[in-house]
Amino acid sequence: GAVVSQHPSRVICKSGTSVKIECRSLDFQATTMFWYRQFPKKSLMLMATSNEGSKATYEQGVEKDKFLINHASLTLSTLTVTSAHPEDSSFYICSARTDRATDTQYFGPGTRLTVL
Amino acid sequence: AQSVTQLDSQVPVFEEAPVELRCNYSSSVSVYLFWYVQYPNQGLQLLLKYLSGSTLVESINGFEAEFNKSQTSFHLRKPSVHISDTAEYFCAVSEDSGAGSYQLTFGKGTKLSVIP
Repeated sequence: GAVVSQHPSRVICKSGTSVKIECRSLDFQATTMFWYRQFPKKSLMLMATSNEGSKATYEQGVEKDKFLINHASLTLSTLTVTSAHPEDSSFYICSARTDRATDTQYFGPGTRLTVL
Repeated sequence: AQSVTQLDSQVPVFEEAPVELRCNYSSSVSVYLFWYVQYPNQGLQLLLKYLSGSTLVESINGFEAEFNKSQTSFHLRKPSVHISDTAEYFCAVSEDSGAGSYQLTFGKGTKLSVIP
């Protein structure tokens, strides 16, 4: 089946620094990738939709200057949390879609971000 | 706009007993329906999906879900659960939110705890 990887799996950083999270589709080309944020005991909240070669579409309430998304190729999307603060600590999950006709999103294992 | 309701946040059940995890959705257009499973500290894995055709869909590990359009439901069932089924289960719906983007909307999740 389709495999999506994320790197790193865990990251701890100091407040004010920037953190980059990579999302890769390993065995398929993903024209669309999604970034989610999951709070403890909560559902997934869609942050943005990323299409290869174009600007990401952010959901209402998500700061695009704080959460920079780049979808440089059909197998790689990156999320950069700029000037991270403790309230940005969360579980970030990406997903990639193979074929729009089947509308199946395959999810990465997630990245646990802790900002001190 | 679509929404997903999972009425039960937690479902404890004894091993080898049957279980049903409820999911209701609201949407004004045709939808695709999904169940994802999340094991502790991991990302989401697709369990099963309904796109079209037979309203009863099955997974490889014994789960099944039935799409009921009149009741706008997509309940997940398993006749006999195992300890390894302990996880969080998310119901999700997808519809075309514009320009073919087909975003997923998730329910809040149901934590299934299988008791030995």
